[in-house]
Amino acid sequence: QLQLQESGPGLVKPSETVSLTCTVSGGSISSSSYYWGWIRQPPGKGLECIANIYYSGSTYYNPSLKSRITISLDTSKKQFSLELTSVTAADTAVYYCARGIKGDVARFDYWGQGTLVTVSS
Amino acid sequence: DIQMTQSPSSLSASVGDRVTITCRASQSISTYLNWYQQKPGKAPKLLIYAASNLQSGVPSRFTGSGSGTDFTLTIGGLQPEDFATYYCQQSFSSPQGFGQGTKLEIK
Repeated sequence: QLQLQESGPGLVKPSETVSLTCTVSGGSISSSSYYWGWIRQPPGKGLECIANIYYSGSTYYNPSLKSRITISLDTSKKQFSLELTSVTAADTAVYYCARGIKGDVARFDYWGQGTLVTVSS
Repeated sequence: DIQMTQSPSSLSASVGDRVTITCRASQSISTYLNWYQQKPGKAPKLLIYAASNLQSGVPSRFTGSGSGTDFTLTIGGLQPEDFATYYCQQSFSSPQGFGQGTKLEIK
């Protein structure tokens, strides 16, 4: 059974950079059939796709965040990561990592449990 | 960006009821539409993909339909574990946006 586990600092000060890592277990991270994504959810609000990365190395960034985010993939560690710079209170959210299925209709079929990132001084 | 609008935003129903949630896209997305269920404090769970395909392991009381701009998720015979928030998501074009969610509550 595929499992994803997010890790991150929890509390970050405004203007700092937050780095999140998702560790994949129970399956391959190197298949071209899948992609890997980060989705966030501010407290009490809806879901927002932030970034995706494909085995080929190609990436997609949400235009609203593109100037501040970087997604990367480390197949040797079975991890993918998200870096978000110049954070503000608006970036406070639960950040989920997920596996996306490519092909007919893309969808996220496996999700991590989520990690809360709070931006506060 | 394609905007996804769900209705209603919240819904009260009883165990055993049949309920329908609607999702409308701001432009045609063919059947590039997925449905997720989210319970408090938990990650979303994929229920339906490609508008009408049931994800493995999901009970058959969940059905999805629609194409183009209008989609529905129907839950036939509500069970206690079905009370949650439901989101639609389009994957026709990036960013793969979600609807604002529909909270299904016990009456």
